Amino acid sequence: QAMVTQEPSLTVSPGGTVTLTCGSTTGAVTSGHFPYWFQQKPGQAPRTLIYDTSNKHSWTPARFSGSLLGGKAALTLSGAQPEDEAEYYCLVFYSGAGVFGRGTKLTVL
Amino acid sequence: EVQLVETGGGLIQPGGSLRLSCAASGFTVSSSHMYWVRQAPGKGLEWVSVIYSGGNTYYADSVKGRFISSEDNSHNTLFLQMNSLRAEDTAVYYCASGHFDFWGQGTLVTVSS
Repeated sequence: QAMVTQEPSLTVSPGGTVTLTCGSTTGAVTSGHFPYWFQQKPGQAPRTLIYDTSNKHSWTPARFSGSLLGGKAALTLSGAQPEDEAEYYCLVFYSGAGVFGRGTKLTVL
Repeated sequence: EVQLVETGGGLIQPGGSLRLSCAASGFTVSSSHMYWVRQAPGKGLEWVSVIYSGGNTYYADSVKGRFISSEDNSHNTLFLQMNSLRAEDTAVYYCASGHFDFWGQGTLVTVSS
């Protein structure tokens, strides 16, 4: 089964910008993989931030954006806030079936 | 108001079976993509299955042949029938809908003797 790759951890300064990426062992991630991005804080259910590469839900803060970058899906956080410290997961679909990445622990420090 | 409520979790012996339910309100299950996602204690998210609104169903390799997802339209409920359970199936199981717009609160399944 294909595997989805993410940075294990990243650190961003308050007010700074950081990009999390989501790759695939099968090759480039494209819009046809319908990439999703989720945020999860300890003890909470996941919350969807981005779907289908770049679409936001009504609750997604404007400082988060999704894109494709260099063959990977990307989640960019511009103007990091302390409350953005969390685990971030991407989800990619391969012919109908989904695979999560292992997550990126984002520290705002 | 959209709500998803999972029930059916608990302690089960290896090799046993369990059926999880995800009762939906505020929308129609049959008209929405419906997902199961699980998270083992202290671990990351694992995609388990989907029933697309068109009816096609897909499973993760780790559960294929053992788990069956289905819908009861009369009760607007999603089910996950889990058979031949293993210790590694121990997790909190979440149901989610649409573009993962809505999630249930999760139900804990513990497979242990």
